Amino acid sequence: DTEVTQTPKHLVMGMTNKKSLKCEQHMGHRAMYWYKQKAKKPPELMFVYSYEKLSINESVPSRFSPECPNSSLLNLHLHALQPEDSALYLCASSQDSFFRPGHGYTFGSGTRLTVV
Amino acid sequence: RKEVEQDPGPFNVPEGATVAFNCTYSNSASQSFFWYRQDCRKEPKLLMSVYSSGNEDGRFTAQLNRASQYISLLIRDSKLSDSATYLCVVNLPGTASKLTFGTGTRLQVTL
Repeated sequence: DTEVTQTPKHLVMGMTNKKSLKCEQHMGHRAMYWYKQKAKKPPELMFVYSYEKLSINESVPSRFSPECPNSSLLNLHLHALQPEDSALYLCASSQDSFFRPGHGYTFGSGTRLTVV
Repeated sequence: RKEVEQDPGPFNVPEGATVAFNCTYSNSASQSFFWYRQDCRKEPKLLMSVYSSGNEDGRFTAQLNRASQYISLLIRDSKLSDSATYLCVVNLPGTASKLTFGTGTRLQVTL
């Protein structure tokens, strides 16, 4: 299994809603990531988990709350989002978070989020 | 200065043409370099890693010049299916693997 699976593929939520994005991989990767991508922009890093511990938070607002229940799962809990948070949210994984020449990420297909 | 810079394009080329994309990075301590391909409304997919000695994968050739902090991607015999955005990606040094993406170069291959 060489895939990163994200659910749901599409999500529309109101500004008062609470929702969660889910990400799963079974490649034995020990680093997992959340990226946000706006239209015609590159992906921007939000969070890095390494061995199930949060190692990087790129000053993301607290309305985004990541969670890593185990080495295969990564969640992103959403609460009180704003319309400008509408974007493609990408999950990715890599073997681990240490420097390994030539090793990139494997991305999931993303969740397209619309906040209304 | 942006950490990773690319010409956004678009590059419009006929089928069969050779096209080259360039990318520069600002942090000389950067360690890993990649080209990713992203189709419209899809996730980025790893096209190839870039090694100091240069590397080739079929019609694709990647080069790295550490002295000039410059990466290139050459596509020979372009196909319609090569139409996509090509993202230059750099692993900045630090305690965790952090990939930084360039803004991407849009390629459109036409008949």
